[in-house]
Amino acid sequence: GAVVSQHPSWVICKSGTSVKIECRSLDFQATTMFWYRQFPKQSLMLMATSNEGSKATYEQGVEKDKFLINHASLTLSTLTVTSAHPEDSSFYICSARVRGTSGTGELFFGEGSRLTVL
Amino acid sequence: GQNIDQPTEMTATEGAIVQINCTYQTSGFNGLFWYQQHAGEAPTFLSYNVLDGLEEKGRFSSFLSRSKGYSYLLLKELQMKDSASYLCAVETGGSYIPTFGRGTSLIVHP
Repeated sequence: GAVVSQHPSWVICKSGTSVKIECRSLDFQATTMFWYRQFPKQSLMLMATSNEGSKATYEQGVEKDKFLINHASLTLSTLTVTSAHPEDSSFYICSARVRGTSGTGELFFGEGSRLTVL
Repeated sequence: GQNIDQPTEMTATEGAIVQINCTYQTSGFNGLFWYQQHAGEAPTFLSYNVLDGLEEKGRFSSFLSRSKGYSYLLLKELQMKDSASYLCAVETGGSYIPTFGRGTSLIVHP
């Protein structure tokens, strides 16, 4: 199956700093990638839909200036948590679909990135 | 809005059969996913249902009734490694964006 790689797997940072998380589709092109956030024992909450070559579409309640998403190529999307605070500590997961499919198959998930803000 | 409901937690015995239900009320419907997620890991794909009926894949089967807004995941011959969270996700809209339920934590005991 298709492989999505997410980096870093875990990161610890100081409050007020910015953290960038990368999501790469390794063996396929992904026109659309999704960024999710997951708190302990909670489900995946969609933060935004990342579209290659255009602005991301954010879900209601998600601050676009705080969670910057860039989808510069068909294989890479990045999520930058700006001026991170302890409440931003969470598990961030990206997912992607193979280019050319639209809801006709599975989402491929990255390994997830666990962010801890001190 | 989208509403997806599944039980929070279930327990079952090794070797038994367990059925995890998912009901949904959504604006539109394209398809329904089931994912398995072990603690601290990313979800892994189990099934995707578009049409009504039962789809069997090894020990796992998934059922869908679109008219009832209902799906279930059936796990047979349970193994200890099946202890995980099972996420139901409904795909809607022209962008086929999936919305996830809260997940059902399944505990398999000897």
